[in-house]
Amino acid sequence: AQSVSQHNHHVILSEAASLELGCNYSYGGTVNLFWYVQYPGQHLQLLLKYFSGDPLVKGIKGFEAEFIKSKFSFNLRKPSVQWSDTAEYFCAVNAGSTSGTYKYIFGTGTRLKVLA
Amino acid sequence: ETGVTQSPTHLIKTRGQQVTLRCSSQSGHNTVSWYQQALGQGPQFIFQYYREEENGRGNFPPRFSGLQFPNYSSELNVNALELDDSALYLCASSLQGRAEAFFGQGTRLTVV
Repeated sequence: AQSVSQHNHHVILSEAASLELGCNYSYGGTVNLFWYVQYPGQHLQLLLKYFSGDPLVKGIKGFEAEFIKSKFSFNLRKPSVQWSDTAEYFCAVNAGSTSGTYKYIFGTGTRLKVLA
Repeated sequence: ETGVTQSPTHLIKTRGQQVTLRCSSQSGHNTVSWYQQALGQGPQFIFQYYREEENGRGNFPPRFSGLQFPNYSSELNVNALELDDSALYLCASSLQGRAEAFFGQGTRLTVV
């Protein structure tokens, strides 16, 4: 069965610090990979996605992620965080089924708090 | 904004009651999926609807059911509510066979 592991449940950083959030997935076939952010009281917002091609993906708000197939990883990075990055971050994978269904499998999330 | 709208935004129900949540998909999207996000957890797949039929289901009991209408909007119905059903319910719309879905803002259900 597919699964997603996010190793850091809570992360506290000072502004301007660098961020790396770990994400590993378990699935034997081709997957699509996503990072979402959820600001307090708001809906899930797509940060970036990887379907194929260049394994280094750039997203919105200065975030990037690197797909390392051999490690089944898709870690999220940002060189310098801001107070406004305080939010919960979710890694997710999906893969198509014979019925054409794509269902997301989400990790449990990482709560990031950035101190001003 | 994703163009996916859900109603209501918040809801309080009593254990044993039934609830209906609604979702309007993004224009042109023919597939709707529902997810449950319990507190402190990632969203979990409930089911997906395509062409007004259930087209995939997660590990949820039959008291979770749904509908999709000809205009692709959808409802999630939960019968015999339990306290553990308290969660944020997310709707996501997509095109059938396409990997990326777009999420609504969710309905926060509280069961007391």
